[in-house]
Amino acid sequence: AQTVTQSQPEMSVQEAETVTLSCTYDTSESNYYLFWYKQPPSRQMILVIRQEAYKQQNATENRFSVNFQKAAKSFSLKISDSQLGDTAMYFCAFKPLNYGGSQGNLIFGKGTKLSVKP
Amino acid sequence: EAGVTQSPTHLIKTRGQQATLRCSPISGHTSVYWYQQALGLGLQFLLWYDEGEERNRGNFPPRFSGRQFPNYSSELNVNALELEDSALYLCASSLAGIVTDTQYFGPGTRLTVL
Repeated sequence: AQTVTQSQPEMSVQEAETVTLSCTYDTSESNYYLFWYKQPPSRQMILVIRQEAYKQQNATENRFSVNFQKAAKSFSLKISDSQLGDTAMYFCAFKPLNYGGSQGNLIFGKGTKLSVKP
Repeated sequence: EAGVTQSPTHLIKTRGQQATLRCSPISGHTSVYWYQQALGLGLQFLLWYDEGEERNRGNFPPRFSGRQFPNYSSELNVNALELEDSALYLCASSLAGIVTDTQYFGPGTRLTVL
């Protein structure tokens, strides 16, 4: 079974500092996509960043970057210069590129609740 | 460009009743996915529709069903509601069911079963 694990249920960071959220996954697939989604208290799920497993270069989106370690099946999210608006639940998600029963849907971790403090 | 929309925002039902939740995808998107976000259980995949067909379903009983209309909007039906069906139901859409497309989420429908 494919699983995604986020080992940090809650984290906090001071405004303007850097924080790293951890994510590990378990799969026998060699091709897949990984995502980080953010769900602020208003509850709309927003895509933060996406990484294709075949790409060795780590994805970046402004203050957000990932550390993708394929051999270790690790996909951490780094948020630089944290802002109050970054306060949210962050979900790591996995999507295999196979044509079996799991094609299409995302497999989510249980999330990390991040609080940015002023 | 309008995002994924869902209605109603909140829905309160009693045990045994039926609930109908609706989703309109982003214009041009043909795939719609339904997820259940129950407290403490994270997001669980429910159903995937593409081009009007059910493509896959998660590990949920048959009383969870749905359909996709010709305009690609979708509805999720939950029959014989149980207390544990109380959750946030999220709809997502993507350009196509092909795995490379990113899913974009709607704001959700909060279903409360009393």
